[in-house]
Amino acid sequence: DAKTTQPNSMESNEEEPVHLPCNHSTISGTDYIHWYRQLPSQGPEYVIHGLTSNVNNRMASLAIAEDRKSSTLILHRATLRDAAVYYCILRAYGGATNKLIFGTGTLLAVQP
Amino acid sequence: DGGITQSPKYLFRKEGQNVTLSCEQNLNHDAMYWYRQDPGQGLRLIYYSQIVNDFQKGDIAEGYSVSREKKESFPLTVTSAQKNPTAFYLCASSATGGSNQPQHFGDGTRLSIL
Repeated sequence: DAKTTQPNSMESNEEEPVHLPCNHSTISGTDYIHWYRQLPSQGPEYVIHGLTSNVNNRMASLAIAEDRKSSTLILHRATLRDAAVYYCILRAYGGATNKLIFGTGTLLAVQP
Repeated sequence: DGGITQSPKYLFRKEGQNVTLSCEQNLNHDAMYWYRQDPGQGLRLIYYSQIVNDFQKGDIAEGYSVSREKKESFPLTVTSAQKNPTAFYLCASSATGGSNQPQHFGDGTRLSIL
């Protein structure tokens, strides 16, 4: 699986939008972009995934660059409960296993 | 509500002892996984199972064993051969073993050595 690069940490204020970047310059044409987040002392939680087009769900939006070498997870209005480590992961479609390769992610702090 | 239940939440192991971590899911998922997380690190795959009565080694299987006798259950045994077992253990499941399926995680078991 191709590698992703994320900032180690970011800060946001409550009620403001948050844009979490992810670089994946070696992405292949069949790689999906997945985002998970992990709250302290809990298991990771699936957030969103996409291939080429921007995606929206109840939790977040995913904006994918036209060349697919980067993507941005958007939390429209950060709350204190959004403070977590966010992981950007590439998954090859049709791969032999569903192994998730987690990097160290971005630690998001949300200030009241 | 459907989900994944891991037990116990905290577990202590004595030297030379085997311990078993429980993972049960009621999501009717075919595939199940065990990951290990060390402080400040991402998750690493220990074992996975794409279907009942079948399982495969992940990246760090040495010192661990699993079984998959029932669809809803995937217990992990940490054997005495695992010399550094202190970690946060996470179980997950997905609808199928296909690589694009989101994984659903339990809340983990924290294992420590006495």
